[in-house]
Amino acid sequence: QVTLKESGPALVKPTQTLTLTCTFSGFSLNIDKMRMSWVRQPPGKALEWLARIDWDDDKFYSTSLKTRLTISKDTSKSQVVLTMTNMDPVDTATYYCARIRYTGGYYFDYWGQGILVTVSS
Amino acid sequence: ETVLTQSPGTLSLSPGERATLSCRASQSVDSNYLAWYQQKPGQAPRPLIYGASNRATGIPDRFGGSGSGTDFTLTISRLEPEDSAVYYCQQYGAPVFTFGPGTKVDVK
Repeated sequence: QVTLKESGPALVKPTQTLTLTCTFSGFSLNIDKMRMSWVRQPPGKALEWLARIDWDDDKFYSTSLKTRLTISKDTSKSQVVLTMTNMDPVDTATYYCARIRYTGGYYFDYWGQGILVTVSS
Repeated sequence: ETVLTQSPGTLSLSPGERATLSCRASQSVDSNYLAWYQQKPGQAPRPLIYGASNRATGIPDRFGGSGSGTDFTLTISRLEPEDSAVYYCQQYGAPVFTFGPGTKVDVK
């Protein structure tokens, strides 16, 4: 059974750095072609893809946010970590981690429940 | 980067009717890399369709996807009240993903 769960602070102050952890089970990120991503959704708005990390430690980022994002993995802990620097109130959103399915098409087949992060002083 | 546009923005229909949702891309998308999701309030997105026309695990056959190039369609036949949700299309253009703005479907 595949599960993913996000953890991190619910509230951060402007200019601070956000660190989110996705802890997953039911699969390994060591497996050939396995990939995972972070996606966010501001309240009442659409989904926005943020970053991706692959089994071989390749990393890819949203063009608009790449200067602020870092994605990493700890396969021994079955975790993927996202850091976002210089947080701003417009970054208030629910942040999801998701597994990427690569067979039959690139899409997100499993999602965490999401974590709402509010940026406010 | 490929931009996805969805229409209509909102769709209000009655149970038993058919919903047709459109997703248009700013440039051609590999059909293998076009997916649809359903999202209900307070929930994570749920994959419905991948590869433009393949139903994800556990998705009833009332949901169907079609299209190619820049124009894709999600069809929901025999609408049920539980289908009320926001529907998003998503494409993959290596190495990035993009989502459309969503179509809200209200069934009542």
